[in-house]
Amino acid sequence: QIQLVQSGAEVKEPGASVRVSCKTSGYTMITMGVTWVRQAPGQGLEWLGRISPYNIDTDLAQKFQDRVTLTTDASTSTGFMELRNLRYEDTAVYYCAREAYCSGGTCFSDHWGQGTLVTVSS
Amino acid sequence: IVLTQSPDTLSLSPGERATLSCRASESLTASYLAWYQQKPGQPPRLLMDGPSSAATGTPDRFRGSGSGTDFSLTISRMEPEDFAVYYCQYYGTPPVTFGGGTRLEIK
Repeated sequence: QIQLVQSGAEVKEPGASVRVSCKTSGYTMITMGVTWVRQAPGQGLEWLGRISPYNIDTDLAQKFQDRVTLTTDASTSTGFMELRNLRYEDTAVYYCAREAYCSGGTCFSDHWGQGTLVTVSS
Repeated sequence: IVLTQSPDTLSLSPGERATLSCRASESLTASYLAWYQQKPGQPPRLLMDGPSSAATGTPDRFRGSGSGTDFSLTISRMEPEDFAVYYCQYYGTPPVTFGGGTRLEIK
């Protein structure tokens, strides 16, 4: 079955960086996009960005363009999200998700990881 | 594209009908709109992968409709497991956006 398993919780100081991993199984990761979404405590869902199938391109929400890098490692079927220069307001659960294929660019997410809590605290 | 969901919270009893609204700031010409259900401590679950297209495994009591700027999700008869938060999502030309969510709570 399709699974996305994320790395464990992180506690970081302001200004640091965090890298969250997302190991996929049950399908060929490189053939599908990987989307990253976050959810601050008690808040709604916020799209960070996505990496397209075959790593052809990456799309990021404007507010994250200078702080987020998305990558994939096809050899291990793992996706990565790096967030730099952490701020207190970056405290959230970060989700990876498999992006289905749609002709119009991005697509809905049909399978999700369990989430990774990133806490920014001094 | 900004998605506005209403109401913020809906209080219902099991067996009642729920109607959730999602309004887009501009017309979604390709109708790239999805709905997700999220329960506490869990990731979102895809319910509808298009305005009226149910995702695999979505119970028949969930129906989506709409086009242009106005979309809705209807749950014909609330079951205990349906009390959760529901989000609509625009996809297609980036960026992807989510509505603020509608919480369905037990009356």
